[in-house]
Amino acid sequence: AQSVTQPDIHITVSEGASLELRCNYSYGATPYLFWYVQSPGQGLQLLLKYFSGDTLVQGIKGFEAEFKRSQSSFNLRKPSVHWSDAAEYFCAVDATSGTYKYIFGTGTRLKVLA
Amino acid sequence: GAGVSQSPSNKVTEKGKDVELRCDPISGHTALYWYRQSLGQGLEFLIYFQGNSAPDKSGLPSDRFSAERTGGSVSTLTIQRTQQEDSAVYLCASSYPGVDTQYFGPGTRLTVL
Repeated sequence: AQSVTQPDIHITVSEGASLELRCNYSYGATPYLFWYVQSPGQGLQLLLKYFSGDTLVQGIKGFEAEFKRSQSSFNLRKPSVHWSDAAEYFCAVDATSGTYKYIFGTGTRLKVLA
Repeated sequence: GAGVSQSPSNKVTEKGKDVELRCDPISGHTALYWYRQSLGQGLEFLIYFQGNSAPDKSGLPSDRFSAERTGGSVSTLTIQRTQQEDSAVYLCASSYPGVDTQYFGPGTRLTVL
């Protein structure tokens, strides 16, 4: 069965520092991959997505992610974190079972120190 | 344009009562999804509607949960005889048909006392 693993439940970084959030998936083929961000009391906002092509994808708010087939990973990165980036981040895989149900990781909560 | 809207934003109910949660998708989006986000857990798929096709109910956790979509637009998720374990944030999303980005609403936080 497909699964998504976000091994870091909490991450704390200082403002201005670089950030990498890990995501690993288990899937038989190249899946469609997504990163969403959820700020407190808000719905999920799409940061970026990967369907095919260039394995380095750029998203909103200065985020990028790299698809690595050999590692079954889709890690999210940002070179310089801002205090407003404090939120919960979810990686998701499109199960593509004909109904486009997303399988979400359990999320990584990011804390940014001033 | 307007995004996905959900109502109410918060709902507190007593164990055993029925609740209805509403979702208004983005205009033109024929696909609609319900997810549940429980404390400490990821998002759990509940149900999927696509146009006039029969919905995919494979994620509904029990027969106390049901959902309908009227006129291919607004959807209502109903939980009968609520239990404390039903306490969660219920998220709705919509998209165009096919493999496409799902746009999420702000969610309804349900608390069952």
